[in-house]
Amino acid sequence: EVQLVESGGGLVKPGGSLTVSCAASGFTFSTYSMNWVRQAPGKGLEWVSSISSDSTYIYYADSVKGRFTVSRDNAKNSLYLQMNSLRAEDTAVYYCARHMSTVTREFQHWGQGTPVTVSS
Amino acid sequence: EIVLTQSPGSLSLSPGERAALSCRASQDVSNGYLAWYQQKPGQAPRLLIYGASTRATGIPDRFSGSGSGTDFTLTISRLEPEDFAVYYCRHHGSSPYMYTFGQGTKLEIK
Repeated sequence: EVQLVESGGGLVKPGGSLTVSCAASGFTFSTYSMNWVRQAPGKGLEWVSSISSDSTYIYYADSVKGRFTVSRDNAKNSLYLQMNSLRAEDTAVYYCARHMSTVTREFQHWGQGTPVTVSS
Repeated sequence: EIVLTQSPGSLSLSPGERAALSCRASQDVSNGYLAWYQQKPGQAPRLLIYGASTRATGIPDRFSGSGSGTDFTLTISRLEPEDFAVYYCRHHGSSPYMYTFGQGTKLEIK
């Protein structure tokens, strides 16, 4: 069974930094691209970042480009999102998501999310 | 950049009724890149439909997707109590590489 478990969320001051993680199990992590999607309180879904299976290709939403860095450790079956220069508008639940297959881009598997609050 | 506009913003229906949710793209999109997700309070989203009309694994056949070009529809033929949730359409593009969600339609029990 595919499992994605996020961790590392919390309260951080504006301008601060935080790294959230996603531990994957139940599939061959190293063969799948992975993604981060966030949801601000009471708002809709927003794609944040994607990373290819071998980290060759990395993409970001314009709203986080230059501030967030996605990475992965295939030996540890883990995905990371380092968030710097955090703003109030980055407050959200951060989900990691896996594609339906190695050749499709539908987000079929999701973690339960980790909440990040940016506030003084 | 493609913008997805969902309508209505909210919809009140009774169990047993038929629901039709709309997703309009700001420009022509490939059918293969349009998906629908369901999200219930406190839960992660769930993939319902991909490729505009293909049901994901385990999705009941009362859910169906249709449309092409710029206009897409998610239809729930006969609402069950567990279907009341928020629904999002989503497009993925390659140039630039990105994913765009609609703002969501909240389906409420009448």
